[in-house]
Amino acid sequence: DQQVKQNSPSLSVQEGRISILNCDYTNSMFDYFLWYKKYPAEGPTFLISISSIKDKNEDGRFTVFLNKSAKHLSLHIVPSQPGDSAVYFCAASREGGSARQLTFGSGTQLTVLP
Amino acid sequence: DTGVSQDPRHKITKRGQNVTFRCDPISEHNRLYWYRQTLGQGPEFLTYFQNEAQLEKSRLLSDRFSAERPKGSFSTLEIQRTEQGDSAMYLCASSSRNFNEKLFFGSGTQLSVL
Repeated sequence: DQQVKQNSPSLSVQEGRISILNCDYTNSMFDYFLWYKKYPAEGPTFLISISSIKDKNEDGRFTVFLNKSAKHLSLHIVPSQPGDSAVYFCAASREGGSARQLTFGSGTQLTVLP
Repeated sequence: DTGVSQDPRHKITKRGQNVTFRCDPISEHNRLYWYRQTLGQGPEFLTYFQNEAQLEKSRLLSDRFSAERPKGSFSTLEIQRTEQGDSAMYLCASSSRNFNEKLFFGSGTQLSVL
């Protein structure tokens, strides 16, 4: 039962172009979404997040879009840089319980070509 | 460095042995999480502490796994009678009381069970 899905295991983009990473979720109770970036041999690093009350959040070169009706979110990176090459994980969480557990997708390996 | 630190970074053990990992969260964070990540997958929730109390455990956490957080500071995760299926990256994360949706991860402990 995969509640958060990243259907593209890999993506290659030329430096300077836009990178678009996609994520779909099935649980309508999710109300907070995050993107993490992970380099080899390191833990995931928080990148950007969005609450379900918004449909867009920007932070510098990174923008996350949320389409609640489609249960879809995307991460746009523009312009892409070689240092952005990493695995990107989409994660979702919901209210309830005593912990804000994150449910992660399986990740997308982004390669930015110089 | 005031991030989440984990020790050791790598652990190789023989099947049937016990192993223990340590996590030191960000000092002002009262919430501590353990996640497990296997190759090609996103991190999966194992357990959660608020201060010294272990408040949630995933069904992934079998009886061979035990976690503690004495005094609400560092945490340890012990795996008894390791099996080859326990081979994974074990990630620790922490979050603050006021912004508990955003988890900060350590670099993880890579466990290999031979």
